[in-house]
Amino acid sequence: QVQLVESGGGVVQPGGSLRLSCAASGFTFRTCAMHWVRQAPGKGLEWVAFIWFDGSNEYYADSVKGRFTISRDNSKDTAYLHMNSLRAEDTATYYCVRDPPYSGFAFDTWGQGTRVTVSS
Amino acid sequence: QSVLTQPPSASGTPGQRVAISCSGSSSNIGRNTVNWYQQLPGAAPKLLIYNNNQRPSGVPDRFSDSKSGTSASLAISGLQPEDEADYYCAAWDGSLSVVLFGGGTKLTVL
Repeated sequence: QVQLVESGGGVVQPGGSLRLSCAASGFTFRTCAMHWVRQAPGKGLEWVAFIWFDGSNEYYADSVKGRFTISRDNSKDTAYLHMNSLRAEDTATYYCVRDPPYSGFAFDTWGQGTRVTVSS
Repeated sequence: QSVLTQPPSASGTPGQRVAISCSGSSSNIGRNTVNWYQQLPGAAPKLLIYNNNQRPSGVPDRFSDSKSGTSASLAISGLQPEDEADYYCAAWDGSLSVVLFGGGTKLTVL
């Protein structure tokens, strides 16, 4: 079945770095755009970043631009979120989501999420 | 960054019809499809409605959406206790080149 599994979350000090991974299975990964969406504790959903199916374009929320980088390896069916200069306000559960072709940015598959805590 | 505007809460009794609004602008809702997500307590969000009132497999037809200008609305008819959840609207903003989420609406079934 279609599945996304995130990993790489944890506790990191302010100013530190983390790399999140998202392993995809059950579908043709190279045909789908991929996004990261986060949710701070007790808060709503916040879109973070998006990468085209072939990795040729990336888009970011203003809150993470210049600090986070989204990437993908279609040979490994895996997407990544590289997070640098982490701040307390980046503390959240990070979800990897699938955006199928021609879906109009409909996120039809979500991972279980990986928790990132930025704290000294 | 601006967000789409939803009421923070809504409520209804079993069997009732409730509607949740989502207000945006010409660069997002006015020009692009609105998608709706349901998040049950302690779970990851789930796609509920997409691409002009399409429902993924397994989503009952009690859920529907509509759009007019720069606003959209999710309607739930025949409200059931298991519908108690947070609901989010989302849309691509072509001017900002970002995906915008609404702030979320917590639906309580009384």
